[in-house]
Amino acid sequence: TQLLEQSPQFLSIQEGENLTVYCNSSSVFSSLQWYRQEPGEGPVLLVTVVTGGEVKKLKRLTFQFGDARKDSSLHITAAQPGDTGLYLCAGKDRDDKIIFGKGTRLHILP
Amino acid sequence: DTEVTQTPKHLVMGMTNKKSLKCEQHMGHRAMYWYKQKAKKPPELMFVYSYEKLSINESVPSRFSPECPNSSLLNLHLHALQPEDSALYLCASSQDYRRGLGLYEQYFGPGTRLTVT
Repeated sequence: TQLLEQSPQFLSIQEGENLTVYCNSSSVFSSLQWYRQEPGEGPVLLVTVVTGGEVKKLKRLTFQFGDARKDSSLHITAAQPGDTGLYLCAGKDRDDKIIFGKGTRLHILP
Repeated sequence: DTEVTQTPKHLVMGMTNKKSLKCEQHMGHRAMYWYKQKAKKPPELMFVYSYEKLSINESVPSRFSPECPNSSLLNLHLHALQPEDSALYLCASSQDYRRGLGLYEQYFGPGTRLTVT
């Protein structure tokens, strides 16, 4: 089974700061998805990246898919307390298995 | 309507009980999923139904029995569970599910918090 490794595992920063979290694999994925999950709730899809080198923006969130389609990043500009949550990346590996990374737990301090 | 609903929200059951979890979507999606999520862990796929047929069973013990009565409904029947089965059970749906292709966009329900005593 391929792995999706997310880093950092935890991140606590002040409101207004910028941050980047990562989702890395040694294998190629046809697409990767990013979700945000709040405690006691199901994950909510933020974006799907499909093309190597692709950049997608969602308000203050910028998602990038690596040229080789092995990694992805999420950059948040001017973080707000509402951005607090667990950020998960997900994809289907070469065995067609749906896998999630372990997530980055983000806490934005007001 | 992009909502996936799950009932009940919370469930406490004994190891000898039989209970069922329900999931419903009205987005016209033809694929539905069950995931199990333990505390501080990512979701783990259990089952995938595509066009009301079971496509994927991730070697889940037989004490978990899925059922897809129609394209909008997905049930998970529980029998003789163990305390270690306590977890958040998430249902999701997507437009389709195809082997060999990338992930379709999944819409998750809020989950059922299951406690086995």
